[in-house]
Parts: sequence; structure tokens; C-alpha cells
Amino acid sequence: DIQMTQSPSSLSASVGDRVTITCRASQGISNYLAWYQQKPGKVPKLLIYAASTLQSGVPSRFSGSGSGTDFTLTISSLQPEDVATYYCQRYNSAPWTFGQGTKVEIK
Amino acid sequence: QLQLQESGPGLEKPSETLSLTCSVSGGSISSSSYYWGWIRQPPGKGLEWIGFIYNSGTTYYNPSLRSRVTISVDMSKSQFSLKLSSVTAADTAEYYCARAHRYYAMDVWGQGTTVIVS
Repeated sequence: DIQMTQSPSSLSASVGDRVTITCRASQGISNYLAWYQQKPGKVPKLLIYAASTLQSGVPSRFSGSGSGTDFTLTISSLQPEDVATYYCQRYNSAPWTFGQGTKVEIK
Repeated sequence: QLQLQESGPGLEKPSETLSLTCSVSGGSISSSSYYWGWIRQPPGKGLEWIGFIYNSGTTYYNPSLRSRVTISVDMSKSQFSLKLSSVTAADTAEYYCARAHRYYAMDVWGQGTTVIVS
């Protein structure tokens, strides 16, 4: 199976900082990559699909890029409400594997 | 607006079969464009994809769970279900149902239901 590896596993940044999370697939997955945000105690929420397409209603400070094996999620200006764990997920073929998650906190 | 709602016992005994149902409202479960799936999250851990069903019967399961998992759909009730046999404490988790699409990923999630195996 194709493995998904996220880095870092956690980060702490100041409000207004630019934050980047990376996700690497062990094999090429084209652009079949989604990003989810899970706030503490809440249901995961789809942020980005097809590697770079923002889901409706998601703030424009979130963006995604990449294709093949290397992907990034960027928050252009970190806000207090962005405190959450972020997961990537490949969905090119079953099983739709998740990365292990990146916890984002405010410094 | 499509909504999903999980239901089922919150407590299971080891070796028994966990059974959960996801009720779909505000949209059609019979659309051939969508998959209907299950995801779980053990306490304090990450998300694990369990599997999905589409086209009224085609299923895909996580290889790590395949021998114990069955996902089925009841179009007449707008529900789909998860059965996980021979449960152990390692199956204790929050279980989510979700709608999925081959291009849009998992765009609608249920609120989740907690299952404790003890």
C-alpha cells in the first residue's frame, strides 16, 4: 500500500505567521490528495481536494499545492481559529490512506 | 443540505460484532457518483480509513481490517451500515460515516459515534 508521511508532526507559530505542512506519498498519486482540518473535539472538515482546490466556504488563507509524491498545505496568515490537527489523505485508489496528522498550535 | 448521522451501541464486549448505521438525509443515497464510507479514530490518535461502498454493492476495505469488516447499504431506508467482527479493545474509537467522491474526496461527515470495547 502507498504510505502517506506528514511533517512536521507538530508546530507552534505566532498569529500572522505563514505555516507550511508537507505530505509525501511513497508512490505517485497524481493530484488525488485531500487535506482535512480537525479542531479539538470536532469532526474532520474537508479543506482542499485535488491537491489544490479549496472546498467551498474555506478561507482563502488556506492553499494547497503539489502533484505526484510531494504536497504542501499552506496557511498564509495563521489565525487563532486555525488551531487544529491537519491530515492529508490520498484517494487515487483504495485504501484511502491518511497521513499521521500535524498539530498546529499558537505560540 | 446532505446530513449523515451515525447510530449504534456505544459499548461492545470483546469478541462480539460491532454494528453501526449511518442515516442519510437531505440527499439521495442512490447516486452512483458517490461512495459511502466509514472512518475511525482511536482516542488521542489519527484517522483510519475503514472502507466504503458504492454502486449499491461494490465495496473496498482497508486491508488491515478486511477479514472482519462488512459494509452494506439499504437504499429503501437511506442507510448504510458497518459491521466489525471479533472486536477487541484496539477497536475502541470514534467512528465516523462520510460521503466520498472519486474527485471531491470525503466532503460530508457525520458527527461521529463513540464505541468502547470492554
